[in-house]
Amino acid sequence: GQSLEQPSEVTAVEGAIVQINCTYQTSGFYGLSWYQQHDGGAPTFLSYNGLDGLEETGRFSSFLSRSDSYGYLLLQELQMKDSASYFCAVRDRRDDKIIFGKGTRLHILP
Amino acid sequence: EAGVAQSPRYKIIEKRQSVAFWCNPISGHATLYWYQQILGQGPKLLIQFQNNGVVDDSQLPKDRFSAERLKGVDSTLKIQPAKLEDSAVYLCASSLTPDLAKNIQYFGAGTRLSVL
Repeated sequence: GQSLEQPSEVTAVEGAIVQINCTYQTSGFYGLSWYQQHDGGAPTFLSYNGLDGLEETGRFSSFLSRSDSYGYLLLQELQMKDSASYFCAVRDRRDDKIIFGKGTRLHILP
Repeated sequence: EAGVAQSPRYKIIEKRQSVAFWCNPISGHATLYWYQQILGQGPKLLIQFQNNGVVDDSQLPKDRFSAERLKGVDSTLKIQPAKLEDSAVYLCASSLTPDLAKNIQYFGAGTRLSVL
């Protein structure tokens, strides 16, 4: 089957670092994407990993390990505005279907 | 650059009524998607268009949902008749190409549908 698993909620302190994990069960996919969605807002693209390893974009980094069926989004120097839901997503190679995880709600404490 | 436009932002209807949503993608984006997002869950793809042709509608409940993309630009999604479980946010997204690898999608703000 095709599924992406993420923790439902994560809490961290302002200024700290937080990691949001995404594990997947699909036989093959093109790459792992991450989207951010604030309450009542539109999902916005954050990062993409086509190859194994780390991709860095400012305070956000994303990592992929195909052998471990695992990826994560790393947020550094957390700010209150980072409070949002974060979704991992893939496009399955077998049927080209786009699959989103259920999302991780990030709570940031002052 | 203007983003993806959707209307209306909110809609409240009674079950068995009909409703339609409209989407105007980013200019030049050939690929358009409609998603259903139920509260607390990730977006679920309903239908994907490439220009005005349907690429994937495998998860569209075709007995009550329909969608079209006239002239390969604007799109409408219709529900007829609506059920209580259709209450959700309907998101429209577009992308420049149907790149199967790095597929950056740009989302609209969505239409929040409440079926009473």
